[in-house]
Amino acid sequence: KAGVTQTPRYLIKTRGQQVTLSCSPISGHRSVSWYQQTPGQGLQFLFEYFSETQRNKGNFPGRFSGRQFSNSRSEMNVSTLELGDSALYLCASSFGGDNEQFFGPGTRLTVL
Amino acid sequence: AQKITQTQPGMFVQEKEAVTLDCTYDTSDPSYGLFWYKQPSSGEMIFLIYQGSYDQQNATEGRYSLNFQKARKSANLVISASQLGDSAMYFCALLQGGSEKLVFGKGTKLTVNP
Repeated sequence: KAGVTQTPRYLIKTRGQQVTLSCSPISGHRSVSWYQQTPGQGLQFLFEYFSETQRNKGNFPGRFSGRQFSNSRSEMNVSTLELGDSALYLCASSFGGDNEQFFGPGTRLTVL
Repeated sequence: AQKITQTQPGMFVQEKEAVTLDCTYDTSDPSYGLFWYKQPSSGEMIFLIYQGSYDQQNATEGRYSLNFQKARKSANLVISASQLGDSAMYFCALLQGGSEKLVFGKGTKLTVNP
């Protein structure tokens, strides 16, 4: 059974640009969550999607958005990038309903 | 507010010995789940073990066991027979019932010495 996949694995962008990250969950999983990991703030919850609907949202500015497609694949978009957006972005999938969440390898974003 | 506290920024253990990583949590929700993840230098978060708040027995998964003390709000991870490949960051996380939002602690860096 294939695990959670994230693309791309590495990205370098400049301030002001926008970026789209992709996450493909484990087959059968309908919930996809996104997390940001930085050395200073640690792991922080961005948002969660279930059956194409955003169910939970963390405390991030509106520049951070996401969506989920009918095949449960999810994308996350960050507009008007800032230096502080440099981070490891992790995606996790689960069946939903308090089940274990399995993480992908992450996308490491560097903003110059 | 939900909170996870991991008080050990770093831990050292000799190969083949057991080690306990501490985790305390704070939540007012009666239904919750506790997770432990391992993050090697590659960055991927690897699921290790899960304990539900209503589970009567402590969870075990191979060399990993969770020492769950509900009254003390602690969920310590015990790794038996440490291996060099166990060297990594370890995160404790809390999942509130009915939510998919994980709240993570700051992690413990475990180093296994040969």
